[in-house]
Amino acid sequence: AQRVTQPEKLLSVFKGAPVELKCNYSYSGSPELFWYVQYSRQRLQLLLRHISRESIKGFTADLNKGETSFHLKKPFAQEEDSAMYYCALRSGSGNTGKLIFGQGTTLQVKP
Amino acid sequence: ETGVTQSPTHLIKTRGQQVTLRCSSQSGHNTVSWYQQALGQGPQFIFQYYREEENGRGNFPPRFSGLQFPNYSSELNVNALELDDSALYLCASSSGQGGGEQYFGPGTRLTVT
Repeated sequence: AQRVTQPEKLLSVFKGAPVELKCNYSYSGSPELFWYVQYSRQRLQLLLRHISRESIKGFTADLNKGETSFHLKKPFAQEEDSAMYYCALRSGSGNTGKLIFGQGTTLQVKP
Repeated sequence: ETGVTQSPTHLIKTRGQQVTLRCSSQSGHNTVSWYQQALGQGPQFIFQYYREEENGRGNFPPRFSGLQFPNYSSELNVNALELDDSALYLCASSSGQGGGEQYFGPGTRLTVT
């Protein structure tokens, strides 16, 4: 079964501390993995995707197929990073681009 | 470029009633996906429409149905509302059949009493 697990509902860190938001997935085949972010009172938006291997707002994520993980990392958290983060998977086959989301992790960056 | 819009913003319905939610896709997009987000959960895929045809469906009963119009806007209809249908309903538009980046609307908050 296709599944995305985000084990932490809440992650609280101090400004300047490193951040790692965990994401594990279950999927046989070649999935596409994404991180979406939702800031307070804003809509869900794409933060980054594994195939582009880019760094957005200082965040990076590496797909580890052996551990079936796609953890989101940032070396120094900023207060403006406080938001809800969702990891999502999209099937690499077929023609339906449905996204399977994890339950989300709230990141709280304290001053 | 106009982003994805949804209407209404909020809606309160009674159990057993029917509801229609609307979504206008982003300019240039021909695919609309609908998601249900219950409180404290991640969005769950309901179905997707591509060029006016259903292009995939999640694990939702037939009382959840949809339409896509020639201008690629879309409707989500839910019949015989149940209390568990209370959720935030999100639509996302994209370009192409399944592979494009999905841009989300602000959502419609449905409360069933």
